Parts: sequence; C-alpha cells; structure tokens
Amino acid sequence: GENVEQHPSTLSVQEGDSAVIKCTYSDSASNYFPWYKQELGKRPQLIIDIRSNVGEKKDQRIAVTLNKTAKHFSLHITETQPEDSAVYFCAASIGGSYIPTFGRGTSLIVHP
Amino acid sequence: EPEVTQTPSHQVTQMGQEVILRCVPISNHLYFYWYRQILGQKVEFLVSFYNNEISEKSEIFDDQFSVERPDGSNFTLKIRSTKLEDSAMYFCASSRVHTYEQYFGPGTRLTVT
Repeated sequence: GENVEQHPSTLSVQEGDSAVIKCTYSDSASNYFPWYKQELGKRPQLIIDIRSNVGEKKDQRIAVTLNKTAKHFSLHITETQPEDSAVYFCAASIGGSYIPTFGRGTSLIVHP
Repeated sequence: EPEVTQTPSHQVTQMGQEVILRCVPISNHLYFYWYRQILGQKVEFLVSFYNNEISEKSEIFDDQFSVERPDGSNFTLKIRSTKLEDSAMYFCASSRVHTYEQYFGPGTRLTVT
C-alpha cells in the first residue's frame, strides 16, 4: 500500500518568514495530494490540493509543488502569521480510490 | 456553511464495553468515512460507506467494528468490545460522489480505561 513520509515533525519560524513542509510517497499510482490544517482541538481542514497532472498550485500565501519523478510534494507558506500555527498533514490518494494515506503531521509554530 | 458534526466530543468507557460514535454528514454528501488518530500518530483510514454498504475498509476495521446509517442523517461507528488500544480520536468525514475532497468532523475522543 501507499506510504507517506512527512518532514519535519516540528517547524518553528518567525512571523513573516516562509515555511516549507515536505512529503514523499511510495506508490507511483497516487494522483491526488491534499494538505490539511488542524488547529488545536479542531477538525482537519483541507487548505489546498494538487493533482498529478499539475506541477504547482498557488492560493494566496500558500502553494504546493509536486515532483512526480521524485515522488515528493511540498507545502510552501509565505509571510507566515501567528494564526498559521497548527498541525499540517499531507496525504496521497491512489487513482480510483478516494482514501488518502496521511503523513504524520508537522507542527508549525509561528512566533510573533 | 454546512459542516460535519460528531457526538459526543469525548467518550470515556471501560474495557470490554460497547461504544457508538455518531456523525451527521453534510446533507448532500453521499460518501462517508471514519478515521482514527492515536495520540501523536498519523490519521488512519478505517472504513468508507456508500449506498448503504461498506465500499472500502482497512486492516484496522476488524470484526469488532461496524458502521451503520440508521436513518437519513446519522452515520455511526460501533466498537463492540473496546480495548485499551482503541483509545484515539475518531474522525468522521463526508464527500460528494466522484470527488476527492473530504470534509472532516471535529472528532470524538475515545478513552478506554
């Protein structure tokens, strides 16, 4: 089955800095890669996603890049703000299945 | 904006007892899912449900688990005889058909003592 590795487990940045979270996946049949943000005590929320026919996608301060050859994808957050502090999960879904395999999560701490 | 809801938010039970976790998916969604997250670990898929039957399940979803849609709005996860290792956060999610986008509920924290 699919295996998703996520790094780092904790990321501490100063407000205004950029943050990058990286994930790798094992199954080349995976074709959908969502990112979820989970604030403390709240539900995971889909913040951005990318499909395998696209190399990069942007939505305001967040962007996701995908390298199918290397089987890795990354989340980029620019101009970080304290409200970006949360746990971020990457995931990968194999084509034809709607079931994501999640990474272990990255705890992002943005210091004011 | 419609949201997935779950009850209770926290359930404490003794080992060997049965528990039922409840979810109300978004009303026009047709796929339903249960996930669990053991403290400090990754979110793990348990089961998906469509058209009143299980469409996929993981190795975790053994005979101790069952799901049901007892009426037009609720979606339940039953654990027949809880074990200590069942302690986790259980998330329900739902999606429209033919979409990868899943919307998660706030979770039920299950503590087995």
